[in-house]
Amino acid sequence: DVKVTQSSRYLVKRTGEKVFLECVQDMDHENMFWYRQDPGLGLRLIYFSYDVKMKEKGDIPEGYSVSREKKERFSLILESASTNQTSMYLCASSLMADEQFFGPGTRLTVL
Amino acid sequence: AQSVTQPDIHITVSEGASLELRCNYSYGATPYLFWYVQSPGQGLQLLLKYFSGDTLVQGIKGFEAEFKRSQSSFNLRKPSVHWSDAAEYFCAVVLTGGTSYGKLTFGQGTILTVHP
Repeated sequence: DVKVTQSSRYLVKRTGEKVFLECVQDMDHENMFWYRQDPGLGLRLIYFSYDVKMKEKGDIPEGYSVSREKKERFSLILESASTNQTSMYLCASSLMADEQFFGPGTRLTVL
Repeated sequence: AQSVTQPDIHITVSEGASLELRCNYSYGATPYLFWYVQSPGQGLQLLLKYFSGDTLVQGIKGFEAEFKRSQSSFNLRKPSVHWSDAAEYFCAVVLTGGTSYGKLTFGQGTILTVHP
């Protein structure tokens, strides 16, 4: 079974802190994705990566950056967390344009 | 830009009743189509997908979906709903070819409530 794991299920941070969300997949997938999920808005793509050290902006990249130093790991970075970044963050991976496999999500609260 | 619309934000059905969740997409060609389900506090799980071929696709948990090109729709159905089907359902499409890299575009989601 494909497994996508995220470093934390719940996270509470203060405004201005630097936040790292980690995602690891074990199926050698080329593509990895970060989404945020907010009620009534569905899932919105923040960034994605199609290869090691490659990254592409999604629909809402402002305030975020990413890092992919190894194929299995994709990190989302909030350089200076703000309250409007309080959300559920979901990581996913895929092979080519096939289905994406999702992690359990990280619920981030920024106070 | 491509878009996905799920017209129903919230649907309530009785256990044992039939279910249809609507999904329409806007895209110049036939994309790959997916339905995902998200139980409370969980990540998303794939129910079914359509790439090509038979327009009626079967998925897990007794769900099926029908692709209708003329209506740009990919509606999800289940003949008899179980209480455990209560969840949020997302329709999604992915661009194929070029530099799409499998980017999914999601609908806004439909929350399903099941009454006993």
